[in-house]
Amino acid sequence: DSGVTQTPKHLITATGQRVTLRCSPRSGDLSVYWYQQSLDQGLQFLIQYYNGEERAKGNILERFSAQQFPDLHSELNLSSLELGDSALYFCASSHQSGGGGSSYNEQFFGPGTRLTVL
Amino acid sequence: GIQVEQSPPDLILQEGANSTLRCNFSDSVNNLQWFHQNPWGQLINLFYIPSGTKQNGRLSATTVATERYSLLYISSSQTTDSGVYFCAVGSGGSYIPTFGRGTSLIVHP
Repeated sequence: DSGVTQTPKHLITATGQRVTLRCSPRSGDLSVYWYQQSLDQGLQFLIQYYNGEERAKGNILERFSAQQFPDLHSELNLSSLELGDSALYFCASSHQSGGGGSSYNEQFFGPGTRLTVL
Repeated sequence: GIQVEQSPPDLILQEGANSTLRCNFSDSVNNLQWFHQNPWGQLINLFYIPSGTKQNGRLSATTVATERYSLLYISSSQTTDSGVYFCAVGSGGSYIPTFGRGTSLIVHP
């Protein structure tokens, strides 16, 4: 158990709908990351928050948004869902997110949310 | 951005065999992790190893940052080692990892 929790584990919804995925980081971790894993694209970084503020953006669609709350949990909102959004969505957390090879940068992943859009 | 190549892409072993998985990266890195994704989809941390050598039971890893590669060694493989092994690297002032495509390992009893 990594200490990172994600809910729900599975989500089945229809095209055009909106869903919210939730993540609670490990105790003491300030940084939260969201990733998408699909068969054709592999593991893709979406967005990072650090202590409540957006820190970095990756290949995140405009239909997707995220936030990190004062208690450091994070939510990823996916709207106007399309068939191609079906994927495994991971949240990860770390204590910090810097250069320099510090073990405080190590990321720990939650169990993921498997999203199926029909 | 940085490119990450993992080899081999697929590996089939008999239980008890040893193996070496390789991760090459195109630029200098200051963060590197190895993960195991089990058949249930869970990503499990194996090593945080931007340089040097580490060992944990039957697994060990070595990163030679100056030559831009990392190796993951699995000894006396077991069926529970099956899954996909990912290397993830980061460079610069913020660790946003780039993942390789992974090595898919199947260990037969």
